[in-house]
Amino acid sequence: GQSLEQPSEVTAVEGAIVQINCTYQTSGFYGLSWYQQHDGGAPTFLSYNALDGLEETGRFSSFLSRSDSYGYLLLQELQMKDSASYFCAVLGGYSTLTFGKGTMLLVSP
Amino acid sequence: DGGITQSPKYLFRKEGQNVTLSCEQNLNHDAMYWYRQDPGQGLRLIYYSQIVNDFQKGDIAEGYSVSREKKESFPLTVTSAQKNPTAFYLCASSLGQTYSNQPQHFGDGTRLSIL
Repeated sequence: GQSLEQPSEVTAVEGAIVQINCTYQTSGFYGLSWYQQHDGGAPTFLSYNALDGLEETGRFSSFLSRSDSYGYLLLQELQMKDSASYFCAVLGGYSTLTFGKGTMLLVSP
Repeated sequence: DGGITQSPKYLFRKEGQNVTLSCEQNLNHDAMYWYRQDPGQGLRLIYYSQIVNDFQKGDIAEGYSVSREKKESFPLTVTSAQKNPTAFYLCASSLGQTYSNQPQHFGDGTRLSIL
């Protein structure tokens, strides 16, 4: 089976940097993805790490350590529009995803 | 514009009734998925399909059924056997196993409630 742990809520102010951690236990692992979901909306893809290290896409970066079964999403220069839920998800067999319960990020002025 | 269309946006089910949620994609994706999301929770996989006329149970398939007769369509039926169907249902698609590192694209979801 698969299980993922991430904090339930994180708060930060505009312009700050925030890190959302994710630890996982899996029976099959091909990579770690991150998705963003605004309240009531469709999840949208942010990043994917198959190998150890840091992937950078604009203000967002994602890190993976396979040996530690650990990853994080780093959001820089926070904006109010970044207030949303963020999900880590393990890519398993048959290109299926197992999602964590999500981290609600609240960005204040 | 390519994308995934789910309908209806809101759906109400009476006791003992089966209801079908529609999911259509024009992304030419091979793989399609159905997830259930409960308030404050992550997405849980109900069913997935890697190719037309084939589908597999996910983690919470009991009380649900699907079909994949066309590449573009993957309807989900919530049967009367599903005793707690109230949830937000999300459909997704991706290129599939050969391109497993490619992301899943999601529809806008259907909110199902019990009358």
